Amino acid sequence: NAGVMQNPRHLVRRRGQEARLRCSPMKGHSHVYWYRQLPEEGLKFMVYLQKENIIDESGMPKERFSAEFPKEGPSILRIQQVVRGDSAAYFCASSPRFIAGGLGEQFFGPGTRLTVL
Amino acid sequence: DQQVKQNSPSLSVQEGRISILNCDYTNSMFDYFLWYKKYPAEGPTFLISISSIKDKNEDGRFTVFLNKSAKHLSLHIVPSQPGDSAVYFCAAPLIAGNNRKLIWGLGTSLAVNP
Repeated sequence: NAGVMQNPRHLVRRRGQEARLRCSPMKGHSHVYWYRQLPEEGLKFMVYLQKENIIDESGMPKERFSAEFPKEGPSILRIQQVVRGDSAAYFCASSPRFIAGGLGEQFFGPGTRLTVL
Repeated sequence: DQQVKQNSPSLSVQEGRISILNCDYTNSMFDYFLWYKKYPAEGPTFLISISSIKDKNEDGRFTVFLNKSAKHLSLHIVPSQPGDSAVYFCAAPLIAGNNRKLIWGLGTSLAVNP
C-alpha cells in the first residue's frame, strides 16, 4: 500500500505565475489535509477536505489559494499569482477513519517545496 | 493565539538517557493529543497519541503523560537513540462549529548525541 504521494517534490515559480500542488492520499483514505510550513516555523493548517467537499478552510488565505479533492484523481492545492512569501514546504496528509472528528492519526506525504523567485 | 505550545525549541541529550519533550495547551475542550516526529525534508510521521480519559500511554520506548489539570503533556523517550534526533510536534484536534483541524505546536528539535 503506497503512502501519501505528493508531486512535484520541488517547484520553482516566478512571481505572478500559478503553482499547482498535487496530493494522492493513501488507498482507502477519504480525508485530506493541507499544511504549510514556513522556514523556521511549525506546521500551519490550511484546509481539510473530504471527497468533493471542503470541510474546513479556515487556514487558507482568502485570495489566490484554492483547494479541491474531486471524486476521481488527486487533491489539488492551487496558488494563483504567487508571491515570494508563498515560498514554503506544503504538506498533504490523509486519514482513513473518523477518529476525533476525522482528525486522528494522519499520514503525511513528503511535501512539495515551493520556491518563488 | 497559540493554543498548543512547545516552549522549548530545542533539546540535547546523551544517547541512552531519557528525553522529555513538553507541551502545554490552553483550550480545555481538547480531549485528544498526538505526537509526530519529523526528519528534515520529510513529512511528519505519527508517533503516539493519548485520549483525555487516560493519563498515560506507552508504546515501546515512547510514553506520553497527560496532566489535564495542568493542561500539560509530555513525551518521554527511554532510552534515547541517535536515530531519535528529529523535530517533535505536539498536536490536538479542534472541533468547533465548522472548524475541524489539528492545532500544532511549533515543535521541539531533539538532538541525541552518541
